[in-house]
Amino acid sequence: GQQLNQSPQSMFIQEGEDVSMNCTSSSIFNTWLWYKQDPGEGPVLLIALYKAGELTSNGRLTAQFGITRKDSFLNISASIPSDVGIYFCAGQPPHTSGTYKYIFGTGTRLKVLA
Amino acid sequence: NAGVMQNPRHLVRRRGQEARLRCSPMKGHSHVYWYRQLPEEGLKFMVYLQKENIIDESGMPKERFSAEFPKEGPSILRIQQVVRGDSAAYFCASSGGQQETQYFGPGTRLLVL
Repeated sequence: GQQLNQSPQSMFIQEGEDVSMNCTSSSIFNTWLWYKQDPGEGPVLLIALYKAGELTSNGRLTAQFGITRKDSFLNISASIPSDVGIYFCAGQPPHTSGTYKYIFGTGTRLKVLA
Repeated sequence: NAGVMQNPRHLVRRRGQEARLRCSPMKGHSHVYWYRQLPEEGLKFMVYLQKENIIDESGMPKERFSAEFPKEGPSILRIQQVVRGDSAAYFCASSGGQQETQYFGPGTRLLVL
């Protein structure tokens, strides 16, 4: 089945540092999405990417849809304490696989040291 | 703010009891999805419903689990005769269309004793 490998699994960084995480797969996806999940809450959509090569920003966050359609990365610039949480990538499979069946990565746990 | 609502937020059940989880989609959304999240893992698709129809339940265990989305009222995920392995966070998401972005609720955390 389709799987997403997300790395790193966890990271501790100092406030003000930039953060980079990525998601890779052996399968292609039509859409890549990045979510953030705070403890005890549901995932909140950060960025959605719809085309191979697309680079999209949302404030201090920047994400790119890989050219091969098999990967994506998320960068956070100048991290702040409220960036702490779990970041999930999710891929939306091609039509024949059921576009509604988001496939989630296992998450990157980010901790920011003040 | 008419986001996706789920209740209860926390549910404790003893083995063998039934668990009923409710989800009210975002206003204007008629597509509902249920996911399960085990600790330290990502979300796993369970079932996709539209009003009065189950579109895809390929991620649902074959036994004890059922889902519905009636014409009126919230979507219900029902787990009969719960076992300890059912302990997890269950998230509902909704969208305005099958290929549109899914928005998640806060989840129901089920603990089976």
